[in-house]
Amino acid sequence: NAGVTQTPKFRVLKTGQSMTLLCAQDMNHEYMYWYRQDPGMGLRLIHYSVGEGTTAKGEVPDGYNVSRLKKQNFLLGLESAAPSQTSVYFCASSARTPGTQYFGPGTRLLVL
Amino acid sequence: GQQVMQIPQYQHVQEGEDFTTYCNSSTTLSNIQWYKQRPGGHPVFLIQLVKSGEVKKQKRLTFQFGEAKKNSSLHITATQTTDVGTYFCAGLAGGTSYGKLTFGQGTILTVHP
Repeated sequence: NAGVTQTPKFRVLKTGQSMTLLCAQDMNHEYMYWYRQDPGMGLRLIHYSVGEGTTAKGEVPDGYNVSRLKKQNFLLGLESAAPSQTSVYFCASSARTPGTQYFGPGTRLLVL
Repeated sequence: GQQVMQIPQYQHVQEGEDFTTYCNSSTTLSNIQWYKQRPGGHPVFLIQLVKSGEVKKQKRLTFQFGEAKKNSSLHITATQTTDVGTYFCAGLAGGTSYGKLTFGQGTILTVHP
């Protein structure tokens, strides 16, 4: 089992460009989450999903959109990237709530 | 909204010394989880505490959940260089929270050999 995978690992964008981050899990988990990690601020929840076809806003959703068309995939989109979105993005999944969240390796995004 | 504060932000210790990080929530939690993130890595689940006053141990690590379920601590006895990393607490509110964790800022632990 690969667990939770994320692509790409690293990306540089120019202000205004768009991109999609892909998260995939092979554990048949219902719950999936997108976090961003910034120095001194811990992990902050961007969006989450409680099952295929559902999404909901987290703590810092502005500037991001998500989709969960398939149970195993959770996509995070940036329509018009801004320097403030420079961060490390982690995806996580969980079989139940409350329960262990399994994190992917992360995507480092630099917006110039 | 719910806030989880974690102190200290940094801790430097000599190998063999003890280490403690503290977590305080602005609201009562249904449970609290602890994660460890090695430098350059991703958060990895350590433990979950659910009951008021609960204490759990994992080898040299001792986790406590406060009686009021608003605070928690992680204590490492006789640190080793393998303990280096950032330790996060993450609180889960009660009710229909869908597993939404609120993370503390983390404590970065450095262990000098």
